[in-house]
Amino acid sequence: SQQGEEDPQALSIQEGENATMNCSYKTSINNLQWYRQNSGRGLVHLILIRSNEREKHSGRLRVTLDTSKKSSSLLITASRAADTASYFCARIHTGANNLFFGTGTRLTVIP
Amino acid sequence: DVKVTQSSRYLVKRTGEKVFLECVQDMDHENMFWYRQDPGLGLRLIYFSYDVKMKEKGDIPEGYSVSREKKERFSLILESASTNQTSMYLCASSLGNGIQPQHFGDGTRLSIL
Repeated sequence: SQQGEEDPQALSIQEGENATMNCSYKTSINNLQWYRQNSGRGLVHLILIRSNEREKHSGRLRVTLDTSKKSSSLLITASRAADTASYFCARIHTGANNLFFGTGTRLTVIP
Repeated sequence: DVKVTQSSRYLVKRTGEKVFLECVQDMDHENMFWYRQDPGLGLRLIYFSYDVKMKEKGDIPEGYSVSREKKERFSLILESASTNQTSMYLCASSLGNGIQPQHFGDGTRLSIL
């Protein structure tokens, strides 16, 4: 399988805490993207990090990429109840044109 | 904002029926994709298209076909629906060469009885 692993599968935190989700993959990548999915809705693109980048920020989101370890992490700072959703990493493998999605982390932020 | 519209949010069909799922995007994107999403399996690519009348198989094309007669419309066809095709189906579109972010519709939850 070309899918990677996301860790943890589920995460429950209190509002105001930080949430960290991890994504590992098996083959070399062109870029890695993070998406969010609210219950019963489609996915929404959050952030894209290229293989030659190590860190990227967007508002309360921070993404890191370690190509030597074939892993990425998504940090959401100062979480809010509205951040409750599933978060997916998706990779463009080198030489491919398609996204390969992980199975997601289900984040619950308790008010 | 890009809008990807899937024709139905919920659909119930019977085994053996021919089922059409429609997807329309309004931003002149070259690329369109069909995924299915199942618990514990994430999103799996069924078919994709990089241009009008062009299609490529994804990871799980068996039992499905697609049609892209116009740039803005990408249809997924279940030739003879089976119960194992009960799932959430998601359509997406993107610019350019596939490296760009994908924009998703809200999905069609399809039940095959």
